[in-house]
Amino acid sequence: GDSVTQMEGPVTLSEEAFLTINCTYTATGYPSLFWYVQYPGEGLQLLLKATKADDKGSNKGFEATYRKETTSFHLEKGSVQVSDSAVYFCALSQGGGGNKLTFGTGTQLKVEL
Amino acid sequence: DTAVSQTPKYLVTQMGNDKSIKCEQNLGHDTMYWYKQDSKKFLKIMFSYNNKELIINETVPNRFSPKSPDKAHLNLHINSLELGDSAVYFCASSQAYAGELFFGEGSRLTVL
Repeated sequence: GDSVTQMEGPVTLSEEAFLTINCTYTATGYPSLFWYVQYPGEGLQLLLKATKADDKGSNKGFEATYRKETTSFHLEKGSVQVSDSAVYFCALSQGGGGNKLTFGTGTQLKVEL
Repeated sequence: DTAVSQTPKYLVTQMGNDKSIKCEQNLGHDTMYWYKQDSKKFLKIMFSYNNKELIINETVPNRFSPKSPDKAHLNLHINSLELGDSAVYFCASSQAYAGELFFGEGSRLTVL
């Protein structure tokens, strides 16, 4: 079945540092890929998405590129802020049949001053 | 105006009790979901409904029974609660096949 693998956390960075959170997937066909963010005490929010190979999703300074050849969708940000502290989830969807999202295990990011 | 709202936000109860969590969305979506998030933050889908019809049921004990009275509501009833049911339960909605899910704030269930 489909699966998503994320790097283990927590990831602790200083403000303005460069962020990379790795995500790889296993799926049949051509899934859509997503990054969701969960701030403390809140539900998940869509951060960005890509629906086909070589697409780049971007939002709030975060970017991720759909790499079919390496089955990856790594999340990057050039300069993190304390307000980016949250748990980040990579996910995929095959669409159709109920639009089920398969999530990775989440990566907690802590940004310090 | 909250898009996906769940009640209650916190629920503490004893083993063996029966409890319900309610969810409502005002986004006009036709698909709704229940996800369970365990203590390690792992999220797993439990159920999905499209226009009041059950379309995903992911190997969930039959003590869990979802009910969708209309496409804006999806409730979760849990019978004979067990310690392992302690988790945060998230409701979500989407337009069918659209990919983006909108999540509620979660309902933290603690079974003692």
